Amino acid sequence: DGGITQSPKYLFRKEGQNVTLSCEQNLNHDAMYWYRQDPGQGLRLIYYSQIVNDFQKGDIAEGYSVSREKKESFPLTVTSAQKNPTAFYLCASSIGGFNEAFFGQGTRLTVV
Amino acid sequence: KNQVEQSPQSLIILEGKNCTLQCNYTVSPFSNLRWYKQDTGRGPVSLTIMTFSENTKSNGRYTATLDADTKQSSLHITASQLSDSASYICVVSAGGRALTFGSGTRLQVQP
Repeated sequence: DGGITQSPKYLFRKEGQNVTLSCEQNLNHDAMYWYRQDPGQGLRLIYYSQIVNDFQKGDIAEGYSVSREKKESFPLTVTSAQKNPTAFYLCASSIGGFNEAFFGQGTRLTVV
Repeated sequence: KNQVEQSPQSLIILEGKNCTLQCNYTVSPFSNLRWYKQDTGRGPVSLTIMTFSENTKSNGRYTATLDADTKQSSLHITASQLSDSASYICVVSAGGRALTFGSGTRLQVQP
C-alpha cells in the first residue's frame, strides 16, 4: 500500500521547545517537500529536497530545520526560533523536482 | 511576483446543483496548472493537471478549463454531492522550484 505518511496527526508544543514532525514515503520518489498552511492562505514552501543528503530552503525556512538521510524520510524540526509555529504542516513527494506532488495527511501543530 | 488568485473565497450550493470555481494567475513562465481537492484536516489530492496546450480536461464530474491567453482557469463541478464539500486549490507551476498556490475556494454542499 504505497503512500506518504505523516505523524503525528496532532502535536502540542510548549513555548521554547523543539518538536519534530515525521514524514515517510514508500513511493520511491526522489523529491520531498514541507509546506505550511495557515487559514485563508495558500501553501508556503518551508524546505525541499530533491535527492538524499541534499536540501534547500524554501520561502519561509527561518525557525525550521530538516534532514534527508534516507530517500524515504524527510523529518521537519520546528525550533524555538520559529515565532509563530501554530499551523497545519503538509509533507509531499514527487518523482522529480516539483512535478505532480502527492501529499500526506498533515500534522496540526499547536503551541500551548 | 507570481500570484494565483481564486474566487469566490467560499461558496454554498444545494446538492445536485452545478458550480464553477475560478483561478486567475500571473505566473511566468507557465508550465502547468493543477487543481487539488482538500478535505478538512487532510492533505490535498490532485484532480487535474493541465499544460499550455490543453483547453479542457475532465475527471468524472469535475471539468477544468484553461485559457493560457487570459491566464484563467475554471473548475466546473456537475451534479454536486455532499462529498464535494472541501477546499479546492489551484496551483500553477513555472517549472523548476516555482509552485504557486492559490488560497483556495471553500465549497459547502448542503442537502
